[in-house]
Amino acid sequence: KQEVTQIPAALSVPEGENLVLNCSFTDSAIYNLQWFRQDPGKGLTSLLLIQSSQREQTSGRLNASLDKSSGRSTLYIAASQPGDSATYLCAVDTGRRALTFGSGTRLQVQP
Amino acid sequence: DTGVSQDPRHKITKRGQNVTFRCDPISEHNRLYWYRQTLGQGPEFLTYFQNEAQLEKSRLLSDRFSAERPKGSFSTLEIQRTEQGDSAMYLCASRLEGANIQYFGAGTRLSVL
Repeated sequence: KQEVTQIPAALSVPEGENLVLNCSFTDSAIYNLQWFRQDPGKGLTSLLLIQSSQREQTSGRLNASLDKSSGRSTLYIAASQPGDSATYLCAVDTGRRALTFGSGTRLQVQP
Repeated sequence: DTGVSQDPRHKITKRGQNVTFRCDPISEHNRLYWYRQTLGQGPEFLTYFQNEAQLEKSRLLSDRFSAERPKGSFSTLEIQRTEQGDSAMYLCASRLEGANIQYFGAGTRLSVL
């Protein structure tokens, strides 16, 4: 059974810092990995999707990497801003047709 | 197209009552998913439709839960005889067959008193 773990569970940083969120998964047989953002009481917004054959994806200040063999992914956020405050969720697609999510990292960026 | 739409956004009910939620996926998305998210956790898969066919159900979906997608467009999720443990955010997502990204709705937050 695929299990996804995210560390840390919560993170508070001052504005402007670069930060790294971690995601690990137990079964390396994945099709892709996605990072989502969730604002309080809201749905999920897809940030980045990395195919299993890819090593990384970039979008603006966000960079996600994938090491499938070791079952790890990182989300790097450069020059953090208060508007980045949200919960960040990692999810893997194992071809089971549904995503398996981690519990998320709750990020607070202090102005 | 305005994305995945869920109704209602918030539902408060008393234990033992039945509730029904609706999800309207992005048009032409033939795949539709229901997830449940409790506080501090990530979403957990409940069930999945391809067109009108319900292809997979999680063990989380007890006999009190039923989902339908009668014409392959919108879907409903009904919970009978609600329990306090059913309190959660119920998320719907849709995807076009062959595409990677699932698009999520804003969710329905259920509070069972």
